[in-house]
Amino acid sequence: NAGVTQTPKFQVLKTGQSMTLQCAQDMNHEYMSWYRQDPGMGLRLIHYSVGAGITDQGEVPNGYNVSRSTTEDFPLRLLSAAPSQTSVYFCASSDRESGGYTFGSGTRLTVV
Amino acid sequence: DAKTTQPPSMDCAEGRAANLPCNHSTISGNEYVYWYRQIHSQGPQYIIHGLKNNETNEMASLIITEDRKSSTLILPHATLRDTAVYYCIVRNSGGSNYKLTFGKGTLLTVNP
Repeated sequence: NAGVTQTPKFQVLKTGQSMTLQCAQDMNHEYMSWYRQDPGMGLRLIHYSVGAGITDQGEVPNGYNVSRSTTEDFPLRLLSAAPSQTSVYFCASSDRESGGYTFGSGTRLTVV
Repeated sequence: DAKTTQPPSMDCAEGRAANLPCNHSTISGNEYVYWYRQIHSQGPQYIIHGLKNNETNEMASLIITEDRKSSTLILPHATLRDTAVYYCIVRNSGGSNYKLTFGKGTLLTVNP
């Protein structure tokens, strides 16, 4: 099992560009989430999904879109990148029961 | 979800037990206590969780007080690789259990 796979690991964008951060899990987990982590801060929830076709906003959703067409994939789209979106992004998945979330290794994004 | 309070930092000598405290005085009956850790620049790693009984796994032990208002994560024989930020999180077991709310955690430094 690969667990949670995030691509790319690093990315530099220019202000105004768009891109998609990819997240895939092979554990058949129903729950998937995207977090961002800024220096010296904890993780903040961007968007989450409780199953294919179901998504909702977290704490800091502005500037990001998500979709969940399959159980395995949960891409995060930046519509028009801004320097404030420079951060480390983590994807995570969990099953419906009260098990622990499995996190990916992160995508380090810099917007210049 | 109930809020948690953790000390910002702690030190521990290599080979000794590390006892990390967490207060969650507003925890409700259907909320679990979860512990995660984040080693520098990596994704968070699930450690253990519990409802009201003490729990033990290959990584750590979790001691929850009888009134459930506080808990302690115990790493029985800390190593240098256990240096990380440790997050105590209260997670609902019911309808909103897909959300994890991270605080700032405790930076545990294991010294040689």
